[in-house]
Amino acid sequence: AQSVTQPDIHITVSEGASLELRCNYSYGATPYLFWYVQSPGQGLQLLLKYFSGDTLVQGIKGFEAEFKRSQSSFNLRKPSVHWSDAAEYFCAVVTWSDGNQFYFGTGTSLTVIP
Amino acid sequence: DGGITQSPKYLFRKEGQNVTLSCEQNLNHDAMYWYRQDPGQGLRLIYYSQIVNDFQKGDIAEGYSVSREKKESFPLTVTSAQKNPTAFYLCASNPLGWGQDAVSYGYTFGSGTRLTVV
Repeated sequence: AQSVTQPDIHITVSEGASLELRCNYSYGATPYLFWYVQSPGQGLQLLLKYFSGDTLVQGIKGFEAEFKRSQSSFNLRKPSVHWSDAAEYFCAVVTWSDGNQFYFGTGTSLTVIP
Repeated sequence: DGGITQSPKYLFRKEGQNVTLSCEQNLNHDAMYWYRQDPGQGLRLIYYSQIVNDFQKGDIAEGYSVSREKKESFPLTVTSAQKNPTAFYLCASNPLGWGQDAVSYGYTFGSGTRLTVV
């Protein structure tokens, strides 16, 4: 079965510092990978996605993610964090052969300190 | 603007009552999904529907029921059989229920309904 692991439950960074959120997946083929962000009490907003091609993908709000097949990883990065980036971040993998179900990680909560 | 509307935003249920959560989309999407979110557990799939009048159980369907009589609507009923219904419920949609084109679009999410048992 497919699975997604986000090993960091909670991360705290200072405003202006760089950020990396980890995501590892378990899937037989090259998956379709997504990162979503959720503000408190809100739905999820798509940050970026990867299907094929260039392994470094750019998203909204200055985020980027790199797909590394050898490590089964799709880590999210941002060079300089803003206070408004404080939120919950979810990595997801989708299996188009299984009803297009998304499998989500358990999320990483980001706190930004001044 | 197109999107997904979930209502109500907050819902309180007494023990033993059934409640229905509304999800409406004006995106003309074929597929719709219901997820439950609990702290530290991410999102878990309850039910999904890829076409009108058809739906499939997800990982945690017990105690829930759905209907898909119209393309734009996918209501979720939390029945009294659901022993621990307090959670945040998210509805999502996708333009095509089948194949890789649907995957590439990703999900559009509603803003959620927080259900509390009192």
